[in-house]
Formats: sequence, C-alpha cells, structure tokens
Amino acid sequence: AQKITQTQPGMFVQEKEAVTLDCTYDTSDPSYGLFWYKQPSSGEMIFLIYQGSYDQQNATEGRYSLNFQKARKSANLVISASQLGDSAMYFCAMRDINTGNQFYFGTGTSLTVIP
Amino acid sequence: DTEVTQTPKHLVMGMTNKKSLKCEQHMGHRAMYWYKQKAKKPPELMFVYSYEKLSINESVPSRFSPECPNSSLLNLHLHALQPEDSALYLCASSQESAQGGYYGYTFGSGTRLTVV
Repeated sequence: AQKITQTQPGMFVQEKEAVTLDCTYDTSDPSYGLFWYKQPSSGEMIFLIYQGSYDQQNATEGRYSLNFQKARKSANLVISASQLGDSAMYFCAMRDINTGNQFYFGTGTSLTVIP
Repeated sequence: DTEVTQTPKHLVMGMTNKKSLKCEQHMGHRAMYWYKQKAKKPPELMFVYSYEKLSINESVPSRFSPECPNSSLLNLHLHALQPEDSALYLCASSQESAQGGYYGYTFGSGTRLTVV
C-alpha cells in the first residue's frame, strides 16, 4: 500500500507568489516523522523541513512551512514568495517504527517558477 | 562537517567493466544507505547498513555489491552492469531514530552512472 501520496506531478507558480505542494500519508504508528526534500536538476537531495507526529505546532523554516493536519493525515508544504531557484522536484517522505526506520518517499512534484 | 561526499560525480562504464562508487561521512551517523534513482522518479532503496552491518538488501541484483569498511565509508562495487542500470546513485546517512522523534537523512550529491 502506498504510504506517501503526492497527487501533483507538476506545478507552476508565478515568481513571488506562494504555492502549496500536497502530501498525504498512511501509517498506523502513532509515532512518525514527516520530511520534505528538494531535488534540483543537479541531483542533490536537500532537506527542507521536518514535522514530528507529536509536535503541537506546524513546522516552519524560513520561506517553508508545513501545514500538518494529523486527523486528515496530510502534510502539505507551503513555499512563500517563490523564487526562480525554487524550481525543482519536491519529495515528501515519512519515517515510522513500522517501516524499520526506513524512508518512504512520495512520487514527487515538479515545481516550475515562472518569471 | 555536515556533508555526505560521493565520488565520482559522473561515471561512464562499459558492460564488462568493474568500478566502485564511494561515499563518506564524518557526522558520526551509524546508518548508511544506497539509493538508485531514475529521472523524475523517487529514490529506490537498495541497501541499508546499520553499525557497519548490512541490515537491508532490497533484492538488488548481485552485480551490485555493497561494502562498509568502517563507520564513515560506504562503497558500492559494480560489475557486469546493464544499460538499464544507468541512473543517479545516491548515498545517505542518518542517526538511528529515537522514540518520539525522527532524524532525517543527509544525502550526498550522487553519482550519475551511464552504462554503455
């Protein structure tokens, strides 16, 4: 069964606008971690933001914030004030005890920022 | 040092060649991983080393042979590869997860492998 679902294969956003990338997850474990990574065309996977299942507040890191809705099992990434350098693939990932501490990746969303 | 270093960055090899990919980290992470990634797809787990012992092998063909000489180094030995093995090979490391909190992976920049 798919543990992480990203339903947006491709997204476009105007420079300086905000964009939301969707991620839903599936786990029966009450303890888990959710992550977002950015992968530019150069290939490196860059860690953006983390949300723990017990965290009371939504995570934020600079222009990145995570809209965590636990009951809906969603962990959407919000990028504010988009920049041309934000054009990349974005992967949502989850780690929980049931998976033996492995990462499950979603299929990714390709974001293109338009000048 | 908060990096995972992978060498080489690019590799072209023939189907009869033997080559090795290298990965190094000095963050004290005790879990290290090899992933294979095709274009526009998520990374696929190949191998996991935990405390220098192979803990997971995701049914990877024997033409890929991992090695963990010490806690900082991870190698992937390649032999008799096929053109379909051409991909980006990513190494990652992490701390072991603790109850109530999880550590992410730190990835290297990858080796782009082309098999001709």
